[in-house]
Amino acid sequence: GAVVSQHPSWVICKSGTSVKIECRSLDFQATTMFWYRQFPKQSLMLMATSNEGSKATYEQGVEKDKFLINHASLTLSTLTVTSAHPEDSSFYICSAKAAGGADTEAFFGQGTRLTVV
Amino acid sequence: GQNIDQPTEMTATEGAIVQINCTYQTSGFNGLFWYQQHAGEAPTFLSYNVLDGLEEKGRFSSFLSRSKGYSYLLLKELQMKDSASYLCAVGGGYNKLIFGAGTRLAVHP
Repeated sequence: GAVVSQHPSWVICKSGTSVKIECRSLDFQATTMFWYRQFPKQSLMLMATSNEGSKATYEQGVEKDKFLINHASLTLSTLTVTSAHPEDSSFYICSAKAAGGADTEAFFGQGTRLTVV
Repeated sequence: GQNIDQPTEMTATEGAIVQINCTYQTSGFNGLFWYQQHAGEAPTFLSYNVLDGLEEKGRFSSFLSRSKGYSYLLLKELQMKDSASYLCAVGGGYNKLIFGAGTRLAVHP
């Protein structure tokens, strides 16, 4: 299967600082990337959808000014958590889909565990 | 609105068969996906159904009834390594995946 690399795997940051998470599709071009957040023992909650070269579409209740998403190329999307606070501590996972329609499989990155202290 | 329901937890015995149900009510439908997720790891793809019926893939099978908004994942010959969360997800508009809360399966010897 296709490979999606997410970096870093884990990060600890101080409250008030910003953290950038990268999501790369290594062997295919990802026209669409998705960012999810997962709290312990809960499912993945879609935060936003990003399409290469255009603004991200955020789900209801997700602050776009706090969670900045950039999808500047067909192989890279970044999520920046700005002014992080302890309640932002969570598991963030990206997924990527190649061009080809709704039935194409979404490949997930390995996730980033963010801890804000 | 979007609503995807699946049981929170299930337990089963090694070597047995278990069926994990999922019902959904979504504003769009572009197929139903099942993913497996071990704790602290990313989900891995198991199956995709877009037409009614049963799709078999080794020890795992998935069934879909679009008229009933219902799917199930069937796991045969359970192994200890099958202990994980199983996520039902509906493909929505704009290629989105909307996930259910997941079912934590514990397989016991």
